[in-house]
Amino acid sequence: QSALTQPASVSGSPGQSITISCTGTSSDVGSYNLVSWYQQHPGKAPKLMICEGSKRPSGVSNRFSGSKSGNTASLTISGLQAEDEADYYCSSYAGTTTPLVFGTGTKVTVL
Amino acid sequence: EVQLVQSGAEVKKPGESLKISCKGSGYTFSSYWIGWVRQMPGKGLEWMGIIYPGDSDTRYSPSIQGQVTISADQSISTAYLQWSSLKASDTAMYYCARLATDYPTRHMWYYFDYWGQGTLVTVSS
Repeated sequence: QSALTQPASVSGSPGQSITISCTGTSSDVGSYNLVSWYQQHPGKAPKLMICEGSKRPSGVSNRFSGSKSGNTASLTISGLQAEDEADYYCSSYAGTTTPLVFGTGTKVTVL
Repeated sequence: EVQLVQSGAEVKKPGESLKISCKGSGYTFSSYWIGWVRQMPGKGLEWMGIIYPGDSDTRYSPSIQGQVTISADQSISTAYLQWSSLKASDTAMYYCARLATDYPTRHMWYYFDYWGQGTLVTVSS
């Protein structure tokens, strides 16, 4: 099972919106609504930002939203803030043999 | 408050054995799958495997199978990741994380809702 494909980097100015893509296949992202997104600041543990494709856990800002079209999931950050600068990883259920697969990761830079 | 507290950083030599731990609190430890995630230096996240502490049902990533052993002791709310013979390529940060789970069906929702702080393992001669 290969890692899901994410852009290496995405940048935006404060207040702007950015979107991070996560491309899989019909065996993972395309077949299940079980994509999650994690934020990881340098030297810190990952933090869950979106689960089950578009659900925000309690305490996560509503500036973060998730969606999916076909084999590609997306994370949108609106009203970009300096604190959003971090690495972001998607993850998806991928079937019984390899239940979980992570994306390659995207570094978000706030200009 | 749900917490996962991992054991401290380790420095080992190639060929040595190691067991790191992850202690859960603030929830019923035996009723949630726990996973281990590897992050090699400067690299992304890699799922290694999961265990259901209630009955020690364990699933491994095919790429990790045979290289490590995942176990748990529900009596002390602790999960473990173990190597019998470390290699330099095992140098990484290792995270434990709780997998969202339905009770009592133990159905997994395939996302990690709480994470430990990480254990850095360095293997060098």
